[in-house]
Amino acid sequence: SSEVTQDPAVSVALGQTVRITCQGDSLRSYSASWYQQKPGQAPVLIIYAKNSRPSGIPDRFSGSSSENTASLTITGAQAEDEADYHCTSRDNSGYYVLFGGGTKLTVL
Amino acid sequence: QVQLQESGPGLVKPSQTLSLTCTVSGDSIRSGDYFWSWVRQPPGKGLEWIGYIYYSGSAYYNPSLKSRLSISMDTSKNQFSLKLSSMTAADTAVYFCARLMVYAMAFDYWGQGTLVAVSS
Repeated sequence: SSEVTQDPAVSVALGQTVRITCQGDSLRSYSASWYQQKPGQAPVLIIYAKNSRPSGIPDRFSGSSSENTASLTITGAQAEDEADYHCTSRDNSGYYVLFGGGTKLTVL
Repeated sequence: QVQLQESGPGLVKPSQTLSLTCTVSGDSIRSGDYFWSWVRQPPGKGLEWIGYIYYSGSAYYNPSLKSRLSISMDTSKNQFSLKLSSMTAADTAVYFCARLMVYAMAFDYWGQGTLVAVSS
């Protein structure tokens, strides 16, 4: 089996740029997806297929990847971006889903 | 608009089997473009993939839950279901059903979630 890992917490000043990362061997082969989750709510898909955004997701959210690391970048963080961010990927078999542990983003 | 809605008991006794159903509207679970999935989140913790089922009836389960887990579907009702046996306090969580895009392996629609507590 394999896993993907995230930093537990990250902070960013209002209006600044922040990068949240997700690491794992399977990310060398498969792209990550990213989700935003606010307290008491279901997660919301914000990035998939490396850097595609569903309709309605602001373009300040972007995704990228390099080797075994996928990144979510928020350019010009807003107060409403304060949330938990989760990454997912396939495992090395391609059939199973892996979740990172989630990153709590604080906007200062 | 695609909508998913979980239903089932909010409280289960230890050693019992949890049964949850997800009712899908706005899409057909016969679609070959999606897997129909379950995800859970223990209080204050991260998300955990439970498993998914495809329109063909093929199912894939989290290896850590596989021995206790069964996911099935009822195409006539456009529903899919989860059964998790031998429940313990460690299974207390919010359980979400979600639609998983096959090609991107990304969950694009989620139910609101249902809290299941395991307690005697």
